[in-house]
Amino acid sequence: EAGVAQSPRYKIIEKRQSVAFWCNPISGHATLYWYQQILGQGPKLLIQFQNNGVVDDSQLPKDRFSAERLKGVDSTLKIQPAKLEDSAVYLCASSLDPLQPQHFGDGTRLSIL
Amino acid sequence: AQKITQTQPGMFVQEKEAVTLDCTYDTSDPSYGLFWYKQPSSGEMIFLIYQGSYDQQNATEGRYSLNFQKARKSANLVISASQLGDSAMYFCAMREKTSYDKVIFGPGTSLSVIP
Repeated sequence: EAGVAQSPRYKIIEKRQSVAFWCNPISGHATLYWYQQILGQGPKLLIQFQNNGVVDDSQLPKDRFSAERLKGVDSTLKIQPAKLEDSAVYLCASSLDPLQPQHFGDGTRLSIL
Repeated sequence: AQKITQTQPGMFVQEKEAVTLDCTYDTSDPSYGLFWYKQPSSGEMIFLIYQGSYDQQNATEGRYSLNFQKARKSANLVISASQLGDSAMYFCAMREKTSYDKVIFGPGTSLSVIP
């Protein structure tokens, strides 16, 4: 089966600019996750979707980050405006349901200048 | 308070030897799950093994086994017969039923396999 697809693979922007990431989960996976992984740390959950509904977004900086999963399939994560501390790898993952292991995409490495 | 603790920031092991990576967790939820993931330098996260809190036996997957000690709240990963390709970051993670099944990751342990 095809894995979790993410794009772009790399992105470099200046602070205060906006950026968007795209994720297409494995077909049939109802649960989709966005994680932020800062260098040297474990992934931190930003938002979790069950189909097209948000289950948890308690760690999403809502003043600058937004995410949507229209139609319960692919998802976009947006940062506007970006700050230097947003430099990280943004990982998308999906699972059949919240109880199953997550399958991760290759991530988007974001650098803020 | 840290939910997941991995006290070994870095580990070295000789090729073909076994190695244990430590993980302790903190939860009051009777229903939870524990995962181990591998992250090579290329960046992808690879699922290795899962242990449910009600599972009676320790989980095993090929060369990976999980030493689950529920009373001590530890879930150590054992890798047998280490290979050079095992060099990577290893993350322990926990899912709690009462937290809408949200998965929390530990800080990770870097494993280097020496030829």
